[in-house]
Amino acid sequence: EIVLTQSPGTLSLSPGERATLSCRASQSVSSSYLAWYQQKPGQAPRLLIYGASSRATGIPDRFSGSGSGTDFTLTISRLEPEDFAVYYCQHYGSSPTWTFGQGTKVEIK
Amino acid sequence: EVQLVESGGGLVQPGGSLKLSCAASGFTFSGSTMHWVRQASGKGLEWVGRIRSKANNYATAYDASLKGRFTISRDDSKNTAYLQMNNLKTEDTAVYYCARQRTGGSNDFWGQGNLVTVSS
Repeated sequence: EIVLTQSPGTLSLSPGERATLSCRASQSVSSSYLAWYQQKPGQAPRLLIYGASSRATGIPDRFSGSGSGTDFTLTISRLEPEDFAVYYCQHYGSSPTWTFGQGTKVEIK
Repeated sequence: EVQLVESGGGLVQPGGSLKLSCAASGFTFSGSTMHWVRQASGKGLEWVGRIRSKANNYATAYDASLKGRFTISRDDSKNTAYLQMNNLKTEDTAVYYCARQRTGGSNDFWGQGNLVTVSS
């Protein structure tokens, strides 16, 4: 079973700053099978990135994903007030079972 | 507009059973793989399982930690997916989401979530 470890647990930043979130897999995964989600309190998760680097429909271009092998990154180029939330990475596809990372909270500094 | 609406949650005693429903609209439900994901209060997302389409023999897969207590099914004539939960434990207390799998993987549409509380 692939385990995803996200870091840091919490990221304290100000609006306008750049956010860099990490997701590390316990073994190499195809970049085709890595997604990122945003979740705000009381809401369902929202798909941001799939295939490691493809933005989902309607996602602003300040969100970008990159990486391969075991190391993947979600970057928010300039934080907007609505971007403060919890972010999860997900591995899917290559096996019947899917997994999520434990999440990174991006909070206002 | 794609919509997923969960129902059937509530309070149940340990050892009891509950069946959640996920009513879908706005897309071709019969051709879609549907997933269930849960989230305990203040915790992260936990993948529960999925059911594929008729074309893929309604194949199911589950998180190993559930140890056969949960079963996912679907009724394409009603555009509805189900999560049958048996022998419930206090640690199953969570908000349960159904989600559509997009072509190629990942989950592009999610329901609003349904709270299940397991307590005596």
